Amino acid sequence: ETGVTQTPRHLVMGMTNKKSLKCEQHLGHNAMYWYKQSAKKPLELMFVYSLEERVENNSVPSRFSPECPNSSHLFLHLHTLQPEDSALYLCASSQELLIEAFFGQGTRLTVV
Amino acid sequence: KQEVTQIPAALSVPEGENLVLNCSFTDSAIYNLQWFRQDPGKGLTSLLLIQSSQREQTSGRLNASLDKSSGRSTLYIAASQPGDSATYLCAVSSNDYKLSFGAGTTVTVRA
Repeated sequence: ETGVTQTPRHLVMGMTNKKSLKCEQHLGHNAMYWYKQSAKKPLELMFVYSLEERVENNSVPSRFSPECPNSSHLFLHLHTLQPEDSALYLCASSQELLIEAFFGQGTRLTVV
Repeated sequence: KQEVTQIPAALSVPEGENLVLNCSFTDSAIYNLQWFRQDPGKGLTSLLLIQSSQREQTSGRLNASLDKSSGRSTLYIAASQPGDSATYLCAVSSNDYKLSFGAGTTVTVRA
C-alpha cells in the first residue's frame, strides 16, 4: 500500500460514454501525476499538477480532461474515447516536483 | 528528449542466482533515478531512489548504482527468490518535471 488510491480498479466503457477516474492521496504531497501504460510500451506522462496548478500537459488529446480540486485529489474525466485508449492509467504523487514518486494501483480501462 | 533503455527485456534465472538489470539514459542532466517493481496488472512500487549526486543506494538484497556521466544505472538483486518475479522499471527525473521510463525488464525466478 503506497498511500495513493485509485478508483475504480477496472472500467469498461463505450466510445460514447463519459466517465471519470479518481485518485486520492493523504501523504501530504504537493504534486500529482497521470500516466498511461499501454501494452508493450513505456509509461507515458499525461498531466502534472503542482499545488493544484497544471504544470504539464504532454500533448494529450482533449478527450482526456484532468481536474485537481485540491492537493489530495486528482481526476481524469473521459469522454468519446477510442479503443486505442484502452490501457492502465496510473496516478502518482510526490512531496514536490522531481522528488520520489509513489504510484497507485492503477485503473484498467477498456474502451469497447 | 530523454530516452531510457533497459536491457535485457526479459530474464529467467534459477532461485538463488544474483540478478543484474541494466538501465541507460541519453541525457545525463538528471535530477534523480528511481527503480520500480510492477507485478502483472498492478501499480508501481518504488524500490530505490538515487539522487544525481549519489553513486549507489542499498535496501536489503537490492543495490542500485548510478554512473551519471556515462548514463547508466544497474540494479543488483542478491540471492533471487521466486517472489522477486516481476517487471522492473527504471525511470529518470529531468529538470522538466518528467519521469521518463524504460520499457522494463521482466524477471522470472524459477523455483
